[in-house]
Amino acid sequence: SQQGEEDPQALSIQEGENATMNCSYKTSINNLQWYRQNSGRGLVHLILIRSNEREKHSGRLRVTLDTSKKSSSLLITASRAADTASYFCATVLQGAQKLVFGQGTRLTINP
Amino acid sequence: GAVVSQHPSRVICKSGTSVKIECRSLDFQATTMFWYRQFPKQSLMLMATSNEGSKATYEQGVEKDKFLINHASLTLSTLTVTSAHPEDSSFYICSARKGPANEKLFFGSGTQLSVL
Repeated sequence: SQQGEEDPQALSIQEGENATMNCSYKTSINNLQWYRQNSGRGLVHLILIRSNEREKHSGRLRVTLDTSKKSSSLLITASRAADTASYFCATVLQGAQKLVFGQGTRLTINP
Repeated sequence: GAVVSQHPSRVICKSGTSVKIECRSLDFQATTMFWYRQFPKQSLMLMATSNEGSKATYEQGVEKDKFLINHASLTLSTLTVTSAHPEDSSFYICSARKGPANEKLFFGSGTQLSVL
């Protein structure tokens, strides 16, 4: 079953704007990961944030984690057309080894 | 780096035939590989966890006799869709873990299966 739910399901913005995607999950986690998928391709790991971390940065990406609310957000700053893709959050449940993916956000950056 | 190679990238087959999909970790040993299925515009659904040298662990609702998984070496896992039917048409993606549990996964590029 799916662990995470993402919001919004689809997001369309102009190039240069910031894009924010949210992810909520249900049970305790060891870490939360964000992945990107270009259409018809495999997934690429973007960033991992551990349960004892609150914020993490990687280039134009900023991820936050609020374990009290069981939610995370991914912010892409200064978006580019090449950022057009689907973005998924994924969680590793405590005591498990498998990664469970959220429903994903389809991001479209308009030039 | 960590590269996972998956092939074929696309396969079209007749109903009733079997299709084998290979997933290889090219520059690392993967004790655990995962197989996912993805329908258009939907998320990835975990089908099974494949551990080298042991039987795969299937998720609830996934028929193990239908989707045969073999993880014969630390760098190769295969998924065989047996007696494929049109409803098996989907995008299948493998992934491998390079390090300990809970860490990130490296994904293959996926296989689009179309069963006529």
